Amino acid sequence: EAGVVQSPRYKIIEKKQPVAFWCNPISGHNTLYWYRQNLGQGPELLIRYENEEAVDDSQLPKDRFSAERLKGVDSTLKIQPAELGDSAVYLCASSSDPGGNEQFFGPGTRLTVL
Amino acid sequence: SQQGEEDPQALSIQEGENATMNCSYKTSINNLQWYRQNSGRGLVHLILIRSNEREKHSGRLRVTLDTSKKSSSLLITASRAADTASYFCATAYYGNNRLAFGKGNQVVVIP
Repeated sequence: EAGVVQSPRYKIIEKKQPVAFWCNPISGHNTLYWYRQNLGQGPELLIRYENEEAVDDSQLPKDRFSAERLKGVDSTLKIQPAELGDSAVYLCASSSDPGGNEQFFGPGTRLTVL
Repeated sequence: SQQGEEDPQALSIQEGENATMNCSYKTSINNLQWYRQNSGRGLVHLILIRSNEREKHSGRLRVTLDTSKKSSSLLITASRAADTASYFCATAYYGNNRLAFGKGNQVVVIP
C-alpha cells in the first residue's frame, strides 16, 4: 500500500515569495491533516479536513496561509507571501477515521525562507 | 491548549539496554499515542493507549498510562542502533480530535 505522498521534498525561496505544497493521502483515508514542525519541536496542526471540508482550521494563519482539498482526495497548502519565520518542515498526514486515532505521515516538505 | 511533554529530552544508551521516557499532559484525554521520527522513515505511529487502559505492549515496546497522574511512559527493551530516533507523545482529548504533540525525546543507541 502506498503511503502519504508529498512534494516537493525541499523548497528554498526568498521572503515575500509564494510557495505551495502538495499532498496525496493514503487511498481511502477521508481525514487529512497539515502540520508544521519547527526545529526541535513536535508537529503542530494547521488544518484538518474531513473529505473536502476543513473542520479544524483554527490554528491556520489565515492572513497568509490557505489550503484546499477540492475533491476530497489530494490537498494543497499555500503560503503567500512567505516570511522568514515560516521556515519549517510541513507534514501531511491522513487517517481512516476522524476520531483522533492513528495517523500516517508523509515525509514532509522542508521549507527554507531566505 | 493541552500538550504532551516528554522527559527526559535526550537519552544516550548502549545497545541492548532499555530506554524509558515519560510524557505528562494537563487535561482529560481520549487516548495517548507515541510516534517515532528519524531521517530515514519520517514520523511513524508506534502505539496507542486509550484512557481506560493502563498498559499496552507491542513487540519491544511497553506503554503505561496513569490518568490520575496524567502521565505515560514508553519503555523500549533490548534497544538496537535502529531505535535511534526522536520519540514524541501525542494526546487526543475529548471534544476535539486534534492531536497535540510534545517536544520529543532524542534517543541515541550506541552500537
